[in-house]
Formats: sequence, structure tokens, C-alpha cells
Amino acid sequence: LAKTTQPISMDSYEGQEVNITCSHNNIATNDYITWYQQFPSQGPRFIIQGYKTKVTNEVASLFIPADRKSSTLSLPRVSLSDTAVYYCLVGVPFGSSNTGKLIFGQGTTLQVKP
Amino acid sequence: DGGITQSPKYLFRKEGQNVTLSCEQNLNHDAMYWYRQDPGQGLRLIYYSQIVNDFQKGDIAEGYSVSREKKESFPLTVTSAQKNPTAFYLCASSILKGMNTEAFFGQGTRLTVV
Repeated sequence: LAKTTQPISMDSYEGQEVNITCSHNNIATNDYITWYQQFPSQGPRFIIQGYKTKVTNEVASLFIPADRKSSTLSLPRVSLSDTAVYYCLVGVPFGSSNTGKLIFGQGTTLQVKP
Repeated sequence: DGGITQSPKYLFRKEGQNVTLSCEQNLNHDAMYWYRQDPGQGLRLIYYSQIVNDFQKGDIAEGYSVSREKKESFPLTVTSAQKNPTAFYLCASSILKGMNTEAFFGQGTRLTVV
């Protein structure tokens, strides 16, 4: 399973763009990159998933370079409600034969200040 | 509403007692999972199930047991053999086919053993 490294914590201010980078040097060919968000005392919530290049949805963008050894989650114009823990997961996604084997590390605690 | 429901939200038990945590989903998902989360830590996989009457151990299955008698239900029993059972327990479900899928998490059960 691919090990991921992401910053333990980050601070930002309302209205700023936040970029959280995740390193995954031993990513395998079949691995996808998935990001989840977790608020205190709640279950994680899916944000975005990608395999290569760039993926964008209504809440975030995911940038993946050609070598796929890292990825960057971009949150545009954050608000106080974006304060949460963000997990970078690398592996065969939920729903495949390797289901359940995605590793949730410590994640990145993002603190958005007014 | 479709979703995944865990109950109760808070649970207190005396040391040495078994306790069962409930997880129900009406999403018609084949796969279900149990995770444990300790303060400031990521999620660790306890058990997962891809089909009724079948389940697999995760990374920290010792001291826990599960059953999957119905597609929509995946209860977790924390036995007296679990040496440090106080934690936040999260249940999740996902479809089993396709690569671009996500897991849906419940709101969690916070278990305190005294």
C-alpha cells in the first residue's frame, strides 16, 4: 500500500486559496488519489478523486503531475466552515476488489481564520 | 432519506462487558466497513464485508467481532478481549463495482469504557 505524507497542520484566512500537497512516492499503477474531509465528531466525507492530470468539481480541484508521486488538493476561497481535517488516500478505490484497504493517515488539520 | 445510520451516538460501558454498535444503510451498497479512530489519529480498519454472510479482518480486528446477516446491517461487537476499547467508531459503506467510487460514512459512535 502506498504511504502518504502530508503536512500535519495548515493555517489560512477566509477568502484565500488553500493548497494541500500530499507525497506518495511509491504509488502503484492501479492506485487512485482520493481526498476526504472530516469535521470533529463526524465521519469523513468524500471530496474528490483522480488518477492523473487535473480533476475539478464544485468544491475543489486536484492536481496530479505526470509522475503521480505527489498531488495537490486546492480549495478556492476558503471559509470558516472549511476548518477540518483533510485526508489524502492512495490506493485502489472503494468499490473495487481491494476494497477497504485505503489508509487514512493523520491527515492535515486546516484552520481557517477570520 | 438515503444514508448510513449509526447508533447510539454515545455509549458507556463498564470494563469487561461486551457491547454491540449498530450500523444500518439503505443505500443498497454491497460493501460495509468498520473503522476505529483515536484522538488526533487517522482511521484504522477493523473489519469489512463485501457480501452478506462474508467478512474480512482489517488491520486491528483483535477483540472485535462482526456479522453480516442482512445486506443493510453490519453490527460491530466490542468484546472484553479488546484491551483499549474507548474510541470513536465509524461505519461506512460503498458500492462494489467501478473505480471512481466513494465511501459514505455514518456519524460515528463514541464508546467510553470505564
